[in-house]
Order: sequence, then C-alpha cells, then structure tokens
Amino acid sequence: DGGITQSPKYLFRKEGQNVTLSCEQNLNHDAMYWYRQDPGQGLRLIYYSQIVNDFQKGDIAEGYSVSREKKESFPLTVTSAQKNPTAFYLCASSIVRTEFNEQFFGPGTRLTVL
Amino acid sequence: ILNVEQSPQSLHVQEGDSTNFTCSFPSSNFYALHWYRWETAKSPEALFVMTLNGDEKKKGRISATLNTKEGYSYLYIKGSQPEDSATYLCAFATTDSWGKLQFGAGTQVVVTP
Repeated sequence: DGGITQSPKYLFRKEGQNVTLSCEQNLNHDAMYWYRQDPGQGLRLIYYSQIVNDFQKGDIAEGYSVSREKKESFPLTVTSAQKNPTAFYLCASSIVRTEFNEQFFGPGTRLTVL
Repeated sequence: ILNVEQSPQSLHVQEGDSTNFTCSFPSSNFYALHWYRWETAKSPEALFVMTLNGDEKKKGRISATLNTKEGYSYLYIKGSQPEDSATYLCAFATTDSWGKLQFGAGTQVVVTP
C-alpha cells in the first residue's frame, strides 16, 4: 500500500535533548512537508522540501532542522533550542510543490517533552 | 502569516440534518483553497482543491463553494451521517506563498444518531 509513515506514534523526551521524528513515503512524491499542531490552532508549517538535498523554512522553523538525502525520507529534528517542543507533528507529501496539489498526510507523532 | 478563520469552531448535528460552515481568508493574491477532513485517530484527507471564483465541488453528500472576491468558502454536508464526524480543515495559498499553505484551526463536526 502506498502511503506515508511516521514513527514513533508517541515520543517522550527529557528537556534539553534533541529528538528526531521519522517520515517516509512510498508515493514517489517530490514535495514533503512538516507541520506542527497545537490545541486550538491550525497546522503550522515548519519546513518543506521540493527535491532531494533542498528544503526551505516554513513559518516556525526556529529550533528545528531537517534533511532530504533521499526522495522517500524527510526526518525532522527537534533541537534543544525549540522553546516549546511538546506538540503533535504531521508530515505530508505532494506530487509537486504547488498549491494546486492536494497534500497527503501521515498519521502523526505526538511529542511530549518532560 | 495570513489569517485563515473557520467558523464555527465546533457544531453538533443530528443524523439526517444538513449543515454548513465557513472558511474566511484574505481576498488578495488568491491562488488556491483546500478542504481536508480529519477523523479522529486518522490522517487528514483531502476533500477538495478549489482555484476558480464561483467554483463548486461535490463529493457524495459533501460540497463546497468558493468566493475569491469576498474571501470565503462554504462546506456543506447534506443529510449528515455519524461517519461525517470529523474536523474539517481549510487551507489557503496566495500567488506569492510559494508552496506554503495557511491552515485554519478547523471546524469540529459531531453527528449524533
């Protein structure tokens, strides 16, 4: 089955530790995205990538880093510089990075920093 | 960051009733408007992508309209069923947003039998 997988579903970390969230897709999509959701707010874009080895900051990139070494994979690292990392994180992909194309979402990772 | 507002925040509907809710967005530099359905414990799924003023899209009992000049879109559910219970998200893109979608906070719909 084609789709997007995110792991783990739940993640707990101590304050001050970096943590990496996994996102893999087998849809052969060029573009991939990371969003963050907080209660009562819309999804906010952290980073996005159109092509391998290229990515751009979204609206709330501070304290996060990404890599795009393979077309299928777009891991997100939440660094200790992120002041409020506890949130629900969604990964998405689309055929190309245009606003006409629907995005396909993974199941999400809920990160809790203790 | 552009403001996309959805109202109401939540609504309860009796099974069989029809309902509608709104997505408001800035009318300048419009490029595209997306609607997604997000059921509990599942991933958001695209319902519609709309690009033309006056456009109307339909999928089963769900339809959407778009007014880009005044900056709003309506989503309609006809004859609501319990499986329609979900959070409905809209997302907006401008001509200069270059790959970025701005999401609203969503409208949570609960359909009771």
